[in-house]
Amino acid sequence: DEQLVESGGGLVQPGGSLRLSCAASGLTVRNNYMSWVRQAPGKGLEWVSLIYSGGDTQYADSVKGRFTISRDNSDNTVSLQMDSLRPEDTAVYYCARDHALGHYMDVWGKGTTVTVSS
Amino acid sequence: SYVLTQPPSVSVAPGQTARITCGGNNIGERSVHWYQQKPGQAPVLVVYDDNERPSGIPERVSGFNSGNTATLTISRVEAGDEADFYCQLWDSTTDHRVFGGGTRLTVL
Repeated sequence: DEQLVESGGGLVQPGGSLRLSCAASGLTVRNNYMSWVRQAPGKGLEWVSLIYSGGDTQYADSVKGRFTISRDNSDNTVSLQMDSLRPEDTAVYYCARDHALGHYMDVWGKGTTVTVSS
Repeated sequence: SYVLTQPPSVSVAPGQTARITCGGNNIGERSVHWYQQKPGQAPVLVVYDDNERPSGIPERVSGFNSGNTATLTISRVEAGDEADFYCQLWDSTTDHRVFGGGTRLTVL
């Protein structure tokens, strides 16, 4: 059974940093595309970042230059390093398996909450 | 960047058919995917590649995509179908994933 479990969320001050982690089981992250998607309180879904199986990365314009996606093949985890955080980054962050051919997300974690506030 | 437009809300009586639209420029030329999200839960993929259903999604959920509109149809609506629904596609010009703003389905 394929599962994703996010961790690392919390309260951080504006300008601060936070590192989210996504632990995978039943699937191998290095063989898959993996995305982060976020949802601000009461708002819709927003795609944030993607790491390809080959290691290349993509970022939404709203986070480019501030967030960094990476993976640890030995731990089978995907991480999102978030720097220079802003109040508008407050959201639930979901990790998802991004289907390589169809570019849709077919396995989702339950999410971790990030709050950026002073 | 590519924009997907959804109505904020759709209401339907139990047993009737709900149709949720997703508009975009020549969206019919792209593959559209749909997600259902119930309160406090993660999204669930319900339709991919315009009209394909993942395992476990009932046949009364279907999709169609043509011209400038993609449509998710839920037949014989039940109270348990009440949720937010999002369309999504891949923007090949940027390699980004794009979501619509979401539609809240209310079962009257």
